[in-house]
Amino acid sequence: KNEVEQSPQNLTAQEGEFITINCSYSVGISALHWLQQHPGGGIVSLFMLSSGKKKHGRLIATINIQEKHSSLHITASHPRDSAVYICAVIGGNRDDKIIFGKGTRLHILP
Amino acid sequence: GAGVSQSPSNKVTEKGKDVELRCDPISGHTALYWYRQSLGQGLEFLIYFQGNSAPDKSGLPSDRFSAERTGGSVSTLTIQRTQQEDSAVYLCASSFSPGGIQYFGAGTRLSVL
Repeated sequence: KNEVEQSPQNLTAQEGEFITINCSYSVGISALHWLQQHPGGGIVSLFMLSSGKKKHGRLIATINIQEKHSSLHITASHPRDSAVYICAVIGGNRDDKIIFGKGTRLHILP
Repeated sequence: GAGVSQSPSNKVTEKGKDVELRCDPISGHTALYWYRQSLGQGLEFLIYFQGNSAPDKSGLPSDRFSAERTGGSVSTLTIQRTQQEDSAVYLCASSFSPGGIQYFGAGTRLSVL
C-alpha cells in the first residue's frame, strides 16, 4: 500500500463544477503540500498545510491531522485548471522525507 | 536504475564553497527538472531541461546557480560560493516527455554552515 494515496486518479468535469481531490496518508507528517503540474510546465506549489484550512482564490485546501486526510477543492472550475494535482507529505521524522502521491489528472471541459 | 537517482543524499558544506549535485534520470526520459524546498517553504522550480538544452532557466535564484545536462541523461546542479540561504532539499525529477508525469528522486539535502 502506498504511503500517500490520491483519489480520483483521473477526473473530467464541466466548466463551473466544484472539484474535490482527496489525499490520504499513512505516515506521521510535519506538513503536506498540494502541487499543480501543467502540461509542458514544471510543478507549482499551491499550498503547504500543517493544520486547518487555507484559501487562495478559487482554491481551498483542508487537512485533518487526526484522520490523516487532506482535500483540495476548486470552486467555479475553469479549463485553465486542467492539470495534474499532486499531494506530497513531509515526513515527521528527522529526515523530513518527502513522499509524493501519484497525482490526479484533472480535465475541465469548456 | 528503476528510478531517478540523486547524489549525494546529504551534503554539508561551509559557506563560500562550491557544491555539485547530481541527478541521474530514468532511462529514456527526455525532460529533467530541478526543484528545491527550503525549510518551511513550498517546492520551488529551478530549471528544466529538454534533452541537453534548458529552455527555461527562469527559476534559478541567482547567477551562483548553474546546471548542465550532457548526453541527454545525467544532470549536475552547481552552486558556487554557497550561502546559508542555499540550505534546502534539492529535488530532481524526470519525465518521458515535457508535460508528462514527473518522477522524483529522493533529493539531496544541502546544509551550508
